[in-house]
Amino acid sequence: QSVLTQPPSASGTPGQRVTISCSGSSSNIGSNYVYWYQQLPGTAPKLLIYSNNQRPSGVPDRFSGSKSGTSASLAISGLRSEDEADYCCVAWDDSLSGPVFGGGTKLTVL
Amino acid sequence: QVQVVQSGTEVKKPGASVKVSCKTSGYIFTNYAISWMRQAPGQGLEWMGWISTYNGNTNYAQKLQDRVTMTADTSASTAYMELRSLRSDDTAVYYCARDLVTGHFDYWGQGTLVTVSS
Repeated sequence: QSVLTQPPSASGTPGQRVTISCSGSSSNIGSNYVYWYQQLPGTAPKLLIYSNNQRPSGVPDRFSGSKSGTSASLAISGLRSEDEADYCCVAWDDSLSGPVFGGGTKLTVL
Repeated sequence: QVQVVQSGTEVKKPGASVKVSCKTSGYIFTNYAISWMRQAPGQGLEWMGWISTYNGNTNYAQKLQDRVTMTADTSASTAYMELRSLRSDDTAVYYCARDLVTGHFDYWGQGTLVTVSS
């Protein structure tokens, strides 16, 4: 059972906007940065968002992150078929002295 | 450009040990830590621990600290993760990643499948 809680699945049609939530607690999301990773089938995770809402070079601005209190969200606008992947949130946990992960959300583009 | 290349697939029997390597290039090895994660079949990612490539300090996840050892060879820009007393539930893909601030993993290895089976 993952420390951070994500919905197991999400879906949308091409061009739509989709939001994926990540819920934690005061010891992780509430007091530390949130990171988002995209994992295409059969590949290693790729950094998508860092420090709550920053995009690494090369990540399209269709991807955005936000945080409020002990929850965070990843939004994908202008959904494309190539966005079909697993998305995972991560945050440092002060109580566990290590990073904790969400269980991942499988995004399907219908 | 930064590259992170891991060693190949391993098949081990219960009770054995496995050592996975993580060879880096394209940056100064000792400037960044390396974290190790694993992903069991159909499951989410799990952080295993972290090693400072600068001084060798480590921080292991509590559930694994009795069985895992992480090391780094600065002359080869390579990090290693050894897991002992393997069990069937250690079957997973193991990843290493460059660690800027733990949680912030900017470059990942391709993954190493470790299968534990009798």
